[in-house]
Amino acid sequence: DTAVSQTPKYLVTQMGNDKSIKCEQNLGHDTMYWYKQDSKKFLKIMFSYNNKELIINETVPNRFSPKSPDKAHLNLHINSLELGDSAVYFCASRDSSINSPLHFGNGTRLTVT
Amino acid sequence: GIQVEQSPPDLILQEGANSTLRCNFSDSVNNLQWFHQNPWGQLINLFYIPSGTKQNGRLSATTVATERYSLLYISSSQTTDSGVYFCAVVRTSGSRLTFGEGTQLTVNP
Repeated sequence: DTAVSQTPKYLVTQMGNDKSIKCEQNLGHDTMYWYKQDSKKFLKIMFSYNNKELIINETVPNRFSPKSPDKAHLNLHINSLELGDSAVYFCASRDSSINSPLHFGNGTRLTVT
Repeated sequence: GIQVEQSPPDLILQEGANSTLRCNFSDSVNNLQWFHQNPWGQLINLFYIPSGTKQNGRLSATTVATERYSLLYISSSQTTDSGVYFCAVVRTSGSRLTFGEGTQLTVNP
């Protein structure tokens, strides 16, 4: 199936640990995003990559480091996890060469205990 | 940055009722999408509608870009329509999709 897929779906970990969330899209898109959805359901952009280059970097702690090995993948690595990092993280992609919609993955629910 | 305001924030309906959700935005846009976040947390893309009118079954949407608003119509609502409806836009000069705070819809049987 053509889609944006992210793994894992659920992630439960303790404070201080380091974890990664992976995202892959097979839609041939050149731009990928990470969004964070907090407990109040608000969706906020964190990062965006276009053809492996960082183009959007919101005010996010530098414990969060995105990595794009190729334009089909955008992974999110989080160091020294804190309680406040608990949220749902969504990956998305689009074709930036035309006015096209964003396609979202199903989200990763991160719980830090 | 661009401001996106959705109304109402909460809506409770009886099954079979119709509703209209509104999205106002503060700048010109070249991308506007409506999403439904279902109870399982999935973001379902309902419409890509930077301008004009589209229909998909019981749902339709209209965007009047010159007046900076979009409307989502839900007719003959069903309990499965429950969830949060988000409007999101990309400013004409930008590349990020900015979300409104959503409308929480509850459809009771």
